[in-house]
Amino acid sequence: DAGVIQSPRHEVTEMGQEVTLRCKPISGHDYLFWYRQTMMRGLELLIYFNNNVPIDDSGMPEDRFSAKMPNASFSTLKIQPSEPRDSAVYFCASSDSHIGHSYEQYFGPGTRLTVT
Amino acid sequence: GQSLEQPSEVTAVEGAIVQINCTYQTSGFYGLSWYQQHDGGAPTFLSYNALDGLEETGRFSSFLSRSDSYGYLLLQELQMKDSASYFCAVRDPNQAGTALIFGKGTTLSVSS
Repeated sequence: DAGVIQSPRHEVTEMGQEVTLRCKPISGHDYLFWYRQTMMRGLELLIYFNNNVPIDDSGMPEDRFSAKMPNASFSTLKIQPSEPRDSAVYFCASSDSHIGHSYEQYFGPGTRLTVT
Repeated sequence: GQSLEQPSEVTAVEGAIVQINCTYQTSGFYGLSWYQQHDGGAPTFLSYNALDGLEETGRFSSFLSRSDSYGYLLLQELQMKDSASYFCAVRDPNQAGTALIFGKGTTLSVSS
């Protein structure tokens, strides 16, 4: 398997623009997570899905953020409108709850977002 | 609430042994995980402890004491490539699934 795939790897946009980040989880994994990482706040869970259904979005900072998972192999995180404070690395991760008890998460390479 | 505390930075030399501690406070506990993240890379899973004791995987070992709400990651025979950030994580007891809460991470710098 190719692992978790994210696109784009880098995104530079101007304040006010819409940004869409994409993720393809590992095939067969039933959980998908979106994280944001910054130096100040560390690794923050934004939202996660189980079998394509959003379970908890309490980590989504504002209504400007939204996430969807239309099928088991694709998810998007959208920011509209974007602001400079959204600049961060956004990771997507997936896991298989049926394998052991370690709840190991497999992370994608991340999308480095810069909002100017 | 849930919280994890770990040192922000640790430095060591090649060939040495280093221990990265993690104390946690959670309303429920399902095990302690460790992840490694190289600069510019993604976090990768290292180990998981559900029960008290030491788990060894090559040069890395992880320890858990549930009674002390404490664990550590032990790295032996340090190599330059071990320079990275290390995160401890616990499963979020308020979530039905596999959501994790991560510590702020410990940056390990290995020098020659």
